[in-house]
Amino acid sequence: DAGVIQSPRHEVTEMGQEVTLRCKPISGHDYLFWYRQTMMRGLELLIYFNNNVPIDDSGMPEDRFSAKMPNASFSTLKIQPSEPRDSAVYFCASSLAGLVQPQHFGDGTRLSIL
Amino acid sequence: QKEVEQNSGPLSVPEGAIASLNCTYSDRGSQSFFWYRQYSGKSPELIMSIYSNGDKEDGRFTAQLNKASQYVSLLIRDSQPSDSATYLCAVNTYTGTASKLTFGTGTRLQVTL
Repeated sequence: DAGVIQSPRHEVTEMGQEVTLRCKPISGHDYLFWYRQTMMRGLELLIYFNNNVPIDDSGMPEDRFSAKMPNASFSTLKIQPSEPRDSAVYFCASSLAGLVQPQHFGDGTRLSIL
Repeated sequence: QKEVEQNSGPLSVPEGAIASLNCTYSDRGSQSFFWYRQYSGKSPELIMSIYSNGDKEDGRFTAQLNKASQYVSLLIRDSQPSDSATYLCAVNTYTGTASKLTFGTGTRLQVTL
């Protein structure tokens, strides 16, 4: 079975540009999570969805960040405008039955904002 | 106080020895506990999950949970160089309005020849 699929794997862009990260969860998983990982702060939860509905977005750093899940097989995380401090690895994860069951991670998107 | 705490390491153990990784958490209501392994430049990979007090064994890995003392540990027996990685402890925590999985910052393990 295919795992969580993220695209792009790497993104390098200039400050001020819009960045869109994409995620396809494991088929049948009803929870989807977006994380950001940096050396300083570790792995941080940004937002998660249950059945395409955002449940907790308290980790979204500011209004420049937005996330959508238009259907069960696709989600996007958008940063507009991007800033150098947004540089990090962004992971998408999915799980069956929420936080009781393990989360399965995609390969991540390494984002560099110049 | 951080919600999930781990010693950042590095923890260095010789090949064949037992590696012991520890994690403490602050939310007494936590019910689900996970250990993930992350190789440099890769994504976290689930190793173990544990939900009740005591030990849970899977091959060379043993997870131990003590809810009264609020700690969870991971033992790796017969450590191999391929076990060298960062190990992340994850605990479900409640924010009052929603539940989420909180990760520790990880312990870097080095298995030496």
